[in-house]
Amino acid sequence: EPEVTQTPSHQVTQMGQEVILRCVPISNHLYFYWYRQILGQKVEFLVSFYNNEISEKSEIFDDQFSVERPDGSNFTLKIRSTKLEDSAMYFCASSYVTDTQYFGPGTRLTVL
Amino acid sequence: GESVGLHLPTLSVQEGDNSIINCAYSNSASDYFIWYKQESGKGPQFIIDIRSNMDKRQGQRVTVLLNKTVKHLSLQIAATQPGDSAVYFCAENKSGGATNKLIFGTGTLLAVQP
Repeated sequence: EPEVTQTPSHQVTQMGQEVILRCVPISNHLYFYWYRQILGQKVEFLVSFYNNEISEKSEIFDDQFSVERPDGSNFTLKIRSTKLEDSAMYFCASSYVTDTQYFGPGTRLTVL
Repeated sequence: GESVGLHLPTLSVQEGDNSIINCAYSNSASDYFIWYKQESGKGPQFIIDIRSNMDKRQGQRVTVLLNKTVKHLSLQIAATQPGDSAVYFCAENKSGGATNKLIFGTGTLLAVQP
């Protein structure tokens, strides 16, 4: 069964450093998403991406964040200068059309 | 500063019993609802969905009920098993645009006692 994959599973970084979180969505999906979940809290929408551009973004997704689909398979989330409060689980999701979103296993980002 | 996590509502059931997990959604314009299961350290896993033109939808051992009048959603799990232990989230979605963001609820921790 096809699934969304994410790497790395755990990323530790120093405050102010750049991180890139990687995702491989399900191969025939057209819509891509990033969500985050701070420990013990609910899952929050960050950004959606379709047709090689951002469709929608939340207030959390400020200028420090960017997304890219550099090739036909990868979808990345970059945080330019990490802050302590960026520590969270980051989930990638994809959907074929604008309905059921399938989530990856997540990347745990720890900012020290 | 220190962040305080949400206190998750917890439902504790005996193995074999039926479970009912409830969710209130916020946006009356939402027309698509999904239940996700999240096990510790994993991503949300799709369980079942329902569109606003339906009141009930059944899957394997799971049933979702939608009451649009009071903006309430429930997930019923029949013959609950230890493997059902997880946090369950409802999510709402307003379709019609170029894409759809999911708005997640707080979550309910289901603890199945053997």
